[in-house]
Amino acid sequence: QQQVKQSPQSLIVQKGGISIINCAYENTAFDYFPWYQQFPGKGPALLIAIRPDVSEKKEGRFTISFNKSAKQFSLHIMDSQPGDSATYFCAASRVDNYGQNFVFGPGTRLSVLP
Amino acid sequence: NAGVTQTPKFQVLKTGQSMTLQCAQDMNHEYMSWYRQDPGMGLRLIHYSVGAGITDQGEVPNGYNVSRSTTEDFPLRLLSAAPSQTSVYFCASSERGGTFPYEQYFGPGTRLTVT
Repeated sequence: QQQVKQSPQSLIVQKGGISIINCAYENTAFDYFPWYQQFPGKGPALLIAIRPDVSEKKEGRFTISFNKSAKQFSLHIMDSQPGDSATYFCAASRVDNYGQNFVFGPGTRLSVLP
Repeated sequence: NAGVTQTPKFQVLKTGQSMTLQCAQDMNHEYMSWYRQDPGMGLRLIHYSVGAGITDQGEVPNGYNVSRSTTEDFPLRLLSAAPSQTSVYFCASSERGGTFPYEQYFGPGTRLTVT
């Protein structure tokens, strides 16, 4: 059971274009929503994150839009570059008595054409 | 700081064999987790921990055991390897009570093949 849904599975964008990846979650107990970037052969790395009390978070070319009532959030990559070609994962997390419990989406493979 | 280290990088096991994947971090992080990554499935949480002696199961714990005796180390044991456990395994750590964006640091991964 995928608690975090992510689409599209793959995305091809021209250099300079906008890349948009969408995620939806089910559990309203989640209180932290990060996006991770992963290059082949490497571990994921935190790209940008948002808390549910904020509707938008922008860092450089990367923006998260968050809709708490719809339980959806999205990543926008402006002026996409070939170096942005990677797999992107959205995630949702909550802290409990045993630690930090993360649920990841299945990932989106982004290819930015030069 | 070495960050999060994992050994081995690659491993081939036969069905039924057992082994331990090692994970260590030198950032004094309380939170540590193990994930497996399979194509089209993203990362799925196996076990996680808030500190020595405190662990819990994640989404896919069957066939795996963990124990945490120190803050630094969080080994993952495969009890009796099965082909379904062929995957890439990632260990991660993060600071408890840290400041936003609560970064979770991942190790380089262990690629495990079970034949």
